[in-house]
Amino acid sequence: ETGVTQTPRHLVMGMTNKKSLKCEQHLGHNAMYWYKQSAKKPLELMFVYNFKEQTENNSVPSRFSPECPNSSHLFLHLHTLQPEDSALYLCASGRGANQPQHFGDGTRLSIL
Amino acid sequence: EDQVTQSPEALRLQEGESSSLNCSYTVSGLRGLFWYRQDPGKGPEFLFTLYSAGEEKEKERLKATLTKKESFLHITAPKPEDSATYLCAVQGNTGNQFYFGTGTSLTVIP
Repeated sequence: ETGVTQTPRHLVMGMTNKKSLKCEQHLGHNAMYWYKQSAKKPLELMFVYNFKEQTENNSVPSRFSPECPNSSHLFLHLHTLQPEDSALYLCASGRGANQPQHFGDGTRLSIL
Repeated sequence: EDQVTQSPEALRLQEGESSSLNCSYTVSGLRGLFWYRQDPGKGPEFLFTLYSAGEEKEKERLKATLTKKESFLHITAPKPEDSATYLCAVQGNTGNQFYFGTGTSLTVIP
């Protein structure tokens, strides 16, 4: 399998649930990213990891908790989400600064 | 603050009717400008990187150009399969963040 793979593709959860999103990249990249994509808005960067170390946290609420156990895997743990958190969550990987990022197909998250 | 503005928001073309999409940017020291294509239900697909003013890249019917203030994505003789949302992003020299525009939704009518 090649590229960036995200699971699940769709997720519906209640506000009190706990769930996790998974991302795996097979491109040999050392940087991984989480983005949020909402309708009519630019992609919002949430977290950046370089060589498993978190290097950016864009003032993301604590109900989103990232985890990067190695350079190929990235998780986003979700708990006590709000309806406004419903969006497409995209994972990307890249070789670092000034290099293109390569995206997965995202997880469509709906909060009831 | 680094930012990106794309225009038009939506564009409808007849098959074969060439046109251009615009990406205007403000960034402190451009490290790179990136074009992506996004199909419904999919993640953005990387198209081009441009690093300096005057640079051009081509791929099939698409050609990207860069000046100090904007980039254009020229589409020559488009086909219905070129229908998608085209996203532009820039990276400046402060931090690793990419700044994305809201995209141009292109529809090519047979």
